[in-house]
Amino acid sequence: DAGVIQSPRHEVTEMGQEVTLRCKPISGHDYLFWYRQTMMRGLELLIYFNNNVPIDDSGMPEDRFSAKMPNASFSTLKIQPSEPRDSAVYFCASSRDSDTQYFGPGTRLTVL
Amino acid sequence: GENVEQHPSTLSVQEGDSAVIKCTYSDSASNYFPWYKQELGKGPQLIIDIRSNVGEKKDQRIAVTLNKTAKHFSLHITETQPEDSAVYFCAVLRNTDKLIFGTGTRLQVFP
Repeated sequence: DAGVIQSPRHEVTEMGQEVTLRCKPISGHDYLFWYRQTMMRGLELLIYFNNNVPIDDSGMPEDRFSAKMPNASFSTLKIQPSEPRDSAVYFCASSRDSDTQYFGPGTRLTVL
Repeated sequence: GENVEQHPSTLSVQEGDSAVIKCTYSDSASNYFPWYKQELGKGPQLIIDIRSNVGEKKDQRIAVTLNKTAKHFSLHITETQPEDSAVYFCAVLRNTDKLIFGTGTRLQVFP
């Protein structure tokens, strides 16, 4: 099993640019989660999907953030326009039954 | 909403000693309690979990205990090794709601 796959692993961009993070969940997992990790705020849930449908997006910071899951094997998290305060590590996780979650390696985003 | 407190924030032990990390939660309806280990530059990795109908669970050198009355659960690592050095997170889930994570404990095991 390849585990959760995220790309890119590192992203450096300038303020105002659009950023797209990608995730491939573990095959057969019906739940997909996007988290953000910072020193100040720890691990925060941004949004999660069940069977490709967004269930709870209350953690999305603002309208600059959007997430999609067009099919069971792919999801994107987009930030447009990006700001320096968006710098963080973004994790994708997947789960078969919403509780036991498996995390990907993360994308380290730096916005200059 | 659920509130999860984790202590200590840092923990240093000698190789071979035991380490204990404790988390308390506020919502008595919470029913799933996982522990994650995060090494530098990697994502959190599930190491052990426990559900509310069980008081203790062991997996080799790792154990988790749950006290539902007092609303706390603990991670116990015995015979610690340098490769146990990492940040450990507890988490709490109520029914099918979202996982709420603790603030993490940085464990250092000195040879």
